[in-house]
Amino acid sequence: DAGVIQSPRHEVTEMGQEVTLRCKPISGHDYLFWYRQTMMRGLELLIYFNNNVPIDDSGMPEDRFSAKMPNASFSTLKIQPSEPRDSAVYFCASSFLFGAGGYTFGSGTRLTVV
Amino acid sequence: AQTVTQSQPEMSVQEAETVTLSCTYDTSESDYYLFWYKQPPSRQMILVIRQEAYKQQNATENRFSVNFQKAAKSFSLKISDSQLGDAAMYFCAYRSGGSNYKLTFGKGTLLTVNP
Repeated sequence: DAGVIQSPRHEVTEMGQEVTLRCKPISGHDYLFWYRQTMMRGLELLIYFNNNVPIDDSGMPEDRFSAKMPNASFSTLKIQPSEPRDSAVYFCASSFLFGAGGYTFGSGTRLTVV
Repeated sequence: AQTVTQSQPEMSVQEAETVTLSCTYDTSESDYYLFWYKQPPSRQMILVIRQEAYKQQNATENRFSVNFQKAAKSFSLKISDSQLGDAAMYFCAYRSGGSNYKLTFGKGTLLTVNP
């Protein structure tokens, strides 16, 4: 298995622009998570899905952020409009229901908003 | 809400020596899971070791082992025979045993391995 695949690896955009981050989870995993990592706040859960349904989006910072999971093999995190304070590394991770498994993380997208 | 605390922002160890990273957590639950993740400069998050709270036996994975003290809510990671490749940020994480699959992370400990 190729693991969790995120794209792009790096993204530089101007303030006010729309940004879309993409994630392909591991086949068979029924949970998908979006995390944000910054020096100040560490790793924060933004939202997670179970069987493509959003379960907890309480970590989404504001309405500028939205996430979708149209099918079991694809998810997007969108920021519109982007702001410099959104600069961070965004991780996608997936997991399966049973057992004590932790998450499998993607390699992250480093977003820089200038 | 559960919290995870890593009190050592940075640690260093000599190659081939042993180092222990500390982690404490706060929870009112009896069923949960604990994890250690490694994040090298490549930024990939790598699962190092996991522990189920209902298991009394401490988990081990090759040179990595944990000291799980449930009553004290402590979950430390011991790295034996440290190698240069062990240099990374290490995160302790908590997951509820119930239906909430959220992982809560500590702030991390930056481990330096000196040759």
